[in-house]
Amino acid sequence: KAGVTQTPRYLIKTRGQQVTLSCSPISGHRSVSWYQQTPGQGLQFLFEYFSETQRNKGNFPGRFSGRQFSNSRSEMNVSTLELGDSALYLCASSTAGTANTEAFFGQGTRLTVV
Amino acid sequence: AQSVAQPEDQVNVAEGNPLTVKCTYSVSGNPYLFWYVQYPNRGLQFLLKYITGDNLVKGSYGFEAEFNKSQTSFHLKKPSALVSDSALYFCAVRDGVGGYQKVTFGTGTKLQVIP
Repeated sequence: KAGVTQTPRYLIKTRGQQVTLSCSPISGHRSVSWYQQTPGQGLQFLFEYFSETQRNKGNFPGRFSGRQFSNSRSEMNVSTLELGDSALYLCASSTAGTANTEAFFGQGTRLTVV
Repeated sequence: AQSVAQPEDQVNVAEGNPLTVKCTYSVSGNPYLFWYVQYPNRGLQFLLKYITGDNLVKGSYGFEAEFNKSQTSFHLKKPSALVSDSALYFCAVRDGVGGYQKVTFGTGTKLQVIP
């Protein structure tokens, strides 16, 4: 069974630009969550989608947005990039996203903003 | 609100010795607790979880964790550490009350196993 796939693995963008990251969950998984990981802040929850609906949202500005498609694939968009957005962005999927289910993570997209 | 604390930024242990990585949590309802491991430049991998039942949970790679309700702790343990266990370990909690809740991760503990 294929794991969670994130593309691209690495990105370099300039301040002010926008970026779109993609996540393909494990087949059959309907819940997709996004996290930002930085050395200073650790793992910060961005948002979670289930059946194309955003079910939960973290404390990030509106520049960070996401969506989920009918095949459960998800994209995350960051507009007007800032230097502080440089981070490892992780996507995780789970079967139904219920409280007792574990998540399966992709390898992440390393975003560098210059 | 739910929270989780990993009091140690780094734990050093000699190969072959037992290891413990500490985690304490706070939730308003019943806790669902998880441990994940992250190797350099990789995503997180699920190790084990506590949902209900036996307080001692066994997981992947010989790891286990003990749920202690009175101390609100969920420490990760392994009887004999391997150099290959060196990685970043995250404890996570989700509150089982109030509908769906997001997962809250701890700040992570770097485990260094010394040959």
